Amino acid sequence: NAGVTQTPKFQVLKTGQSMTLQCAQDMNHNSMYWYRQDPGMGLRLIYYSASEGTTDKGEVPNGYNVSRLNKREFSLRLESAAPSQTSVYFCASSEAHPGQAIQYEQYFGPGTRLTVT
Amino acid sequence: RKEVEQDPGPFNVPEGATVAFNCTYSNSASQSFFWYRQDCRKEPKLLMSVYSSGNEDGRFTAQLNRASQYISLLIRDSKLSDSATYLCVVKVLGVRSGGGADGLTFGKGTHLIIQP
Repeated sequence: NAGVTQTPKFQVLKTGQSMTLQCAQDMNHNSMYWYRQDPGMGLRLIYYSASEGTTDKGEVPNGYNVSRLNKREFSLRLESAAPSQTSVYFCASSEAHPGQAIQYEQYFGPGTRLTVT
Repeated sequence: RKEVEQDPGPFNVPEGATVAFNCTYSNSASQSFFWYRQDCRKEPKLLMSVYSSGNEDGRFTAQLNRASQYISLLIRDSKLSDSATYLCVVKVLGVRSGGGADGLTFGKGTHLIIQP
């Protein structure tokens, strides 16, 4: 049981390049999330998927797209990378169901450290 | 006013001491409260939920004060391994705080360093 896995662990891009960050969970969770973490800013939600087949914007979605490929996988795409997207990206998952009051623990992946030059 | 505020620290504490830090939240409709722990260059992990009556897990005690809108974390007999950043997390039921599915809002964290 690997939990939440992310690839790659590190990436350096040039401005304007594109890339996809991959995330997979093996806990049969319904909800998945993409966050970015910047010094002094804390964790900010980029996009989330409340259940398979649905995605929605979070706090800072501009410049990103996502795909919930199936229940296990949730990818984040940068179409045209900018230096402002230099950050650590975390994927997370939880058992949460849309509209459910109970707050389940969010399990995070190890992160992807992205630098855009 | 920021939704969830924490003193960033660092708190430098000798091993064996007791340390406490608070987190304030601005939305009085906040429903659920948590402390997550994040080690340097690692992912956040749930440390404990915070219940209205307060709760304890070993050396860790969490308290909630709804009237003053803050939660606290107390660590007794601190260990070197407690050195980490502690994230305060708040959920507002039915509100997509920051657009989030669960309405989770993360504080920026309090950095704790336990010194030998």
